[in-house]
Order: sequence, then structure tokens, then C-alpha cells
Amino acid sequence: QAQLVESGGGVVQPGRSLRLSCAASGFTFSDYGMHWVRQAPGKGLEWVAVISYDGSNKYYADSVKGRFTISRDNSKNTLFLQMNSLRVEDTAVYYCAKDRGIVVVPDDSGWFDPWGQGILVSVSS
Amino acid sequence: DIQMTQSPSSLSASVGDSVTITCRASQSISGYLNWYQQKPGKAPKLLIHLASGLQGGVPSRFSGRGSGTEFTLTISSLQPEDFATYYCQQCYSVPITFGQGTRLEIK
Repeated sequence: QAQLVESGGGVVQPGRSLRLSCAASGFTFSDYGMHWVRQAPGKGLEWVAVISYDGSNKYYADSVKGRFTISRDNSKNTLFLQMNSLRVEDTAVYYCAKDRGIVVVPDDSGWFDPWGQGILVSVSS
Repeated sequence: DIQMTQSPSSLSASVGDSVTITCRASQSISGYLNWYQQKPGKAPKLLIHLASGLQGGVPSRFSGRGSGTEFTLTISSLQPEDFATYYCQQCYSVPITFGQGTRLEIK
């Protein structure tokens, strides 16, 4: 069945960068839109970004726009999140998630299933 | 942005009880509403898609209803494994938004 595994998290100082990866297996990766969602410690879920099946369309939450970049490599079945100019408030567990469909444009987004296990990003001086 | 508001924020119930969680959208989202369950330290799990569609493998004691701006998730005959946090999510338009969560605790 479909499986997602995140990697690349860790502790980083404010203002620095980090790149998360999400390895996909068990489904045809290039047929689906993909998302990043985060969860600050003890808080609720916050959607971060979406990318279309072919990588041509992307959309970001205002809280990360201009600092984070979502991308994908369909030849390697991998989703990425490049996080620059990190802030203390970016501290969270980051999840990648598969959309229910192809997502040609961001408004095509549907439900998320499955989700990865999550990876912790801690921004602290 | 579409704001999603869940009520209650927390709920205590006993095994065997039936509970209902409400999710309200700040504008009409038709039926573009999904429900997730999250247990501590785990990733969210999809329960219901498009307001009332039961995800494969999810027990039939979970049910969803609603359209427009008001939606409900009902869990009948609560089981010990159902005690968790529940989130609604709208996928009507981006940015996608979640409710703040409802924590279901054992009484």
C-alpha cells in the first residue's frame, strides 16, 4: 500500500535553512498531488503547501510564502520542502501527505491519505 | 481564507457512548469537508471524505453528515481505541484549512 517516509529534520538556528524529503512508495507518485502539513508542539494541524502532479503548480500558506519552496522529483518518487530563513515559530512536526487525486491546479486539492510518520524541525538558538 | 471552527474543543465520554462533533465553515464549502483522527505521537488518519464518505477500513460506527457551512462527525458506541483528537479539514479552496481539533477523552 501507499507509504510516505520523511527525512531531513533536526535542530537549526533561526535564519538558517533546512531541506525535508519525503520518499514515496506503493503508488504511482507522478499521478498525485502532494502536500506538506505541520503541527507545532501541542497545537493543531496547519497546512503548508501543495504541488501538482507534475510540479508545475504550487501554492503556499501565507505563513511560509517567500521562505519555503515545495518541489518534487518524479523520477525518484520524492517530495521536498526547502525551508529558508527559518523562524522559531516554524518549530513543528512536518508531515507529507498524498492527495486523493492528480491536482492540476491547487484548488483541485482533496483529502489527504496517507500521511508520513512526521519529522521534527526545531528552530532554536 | 475559509475559517473552520470545531465544537466542542474537548469532550469526555465513556465506552459505549455516542458522541457528535460539529465543524462550521466561515462560508459555504458545499460538501468539501474531510475528517481525520490523530492519536498522540502519530500521524493523522483519514476517516471521512467529502462530508459523508467512509474511508476504506474505517469502522461503520463513524459517520459524517452535512453540507454548506455545518458538518458533523458522529461516533456511535465508542470503543477504547476511539479516544483521540479529531480534526475537520476543508478542501473547497486553497489555502486548505483545518479546524482547531476536538480532543475526545475517556470519562
